[in-house]
Amino acid sequence: GAGVSQTPSNKVTEKGKYVELRCDPISGHTALYWYRQSLGQGPEFLIYFQGTGAADDSGLPNDRFFAVRPEGSVSTLKIQRTERGDSAVYLCASSYRVKTAVLNEKLFFGSGTQLSVL
Amino acid sequence: GQQLNQSPQSMFIQEGEDVSMNCTSSSIFNTWLWYKQEPGEGPVLLIALYKAGELTSNGRLTAQFGITRKDSFLNISASIPSDVGIYFCAGLGGSNYKLTFGKGTLLTVNP
Repeated sequence: GAGVSQTPSNKVTEKGKYVELRCDPISGHTALYWYRQSLGQGPEFLIYFQGTGAADDSGLPNDRFFAVRPEGSVSTLKIQRTERGDSAVYLCASSYRVKTAVLNEKLFFGSGTQLSVL
Repeated sequence: GQQLNQSPQSMFIQEGEDVSMNCTSSSIFNTWLWYKQEPGEGPVLLIALYKAGELTSNGRLTAQFGITRKDSFLNISASIPSDVGIYFCAGLGGSNYKLTFGKGTLLTVNP
């Protein structure tokens, strides 16, 4: 596709349920990032993939959150036993990035998944 | 962790006016970025700054990387209705890939 695609665009779930959020990066982009944006706040870093491996998962808030990127393209963010505090927009971004390069304008964000936990 | 203090939180201006917003931090950032986010969309990069003291323009937008590397400002000249949105500053500090974002400035332009 032309841009980063995230599905679903909206997800409403009940407290305690399991959810999966999907990100389709731009074709050929090696790096993939997940950010979380709460209402009235800027995005906060969750996890960074270089290829298939999670190079940095230090932003994941707790062990209920997990993300995978098994083939180095599509990524899935998984949240177990959802809580009301998990409600936020989950943004995915991708870039073609050499490990040693400084992040620059070649970072593209998707439109996000609005997660609402009731 | 690193934090960015962005101000003002919101601005209501008339079309044609100039706008200025800024970000400060207690810690040093090596790269400053300015993004715009519209409802239902992800942030879109406006300007990237890589060197202390750097002044960069992109059309009606001008941004500067502070000499101390702890601040940056964004100016928008001759605002138009499509400038409406939330503007975020973001910085790269100890990491060369992990962005720290400010809380944003909500800009409203009255035609």
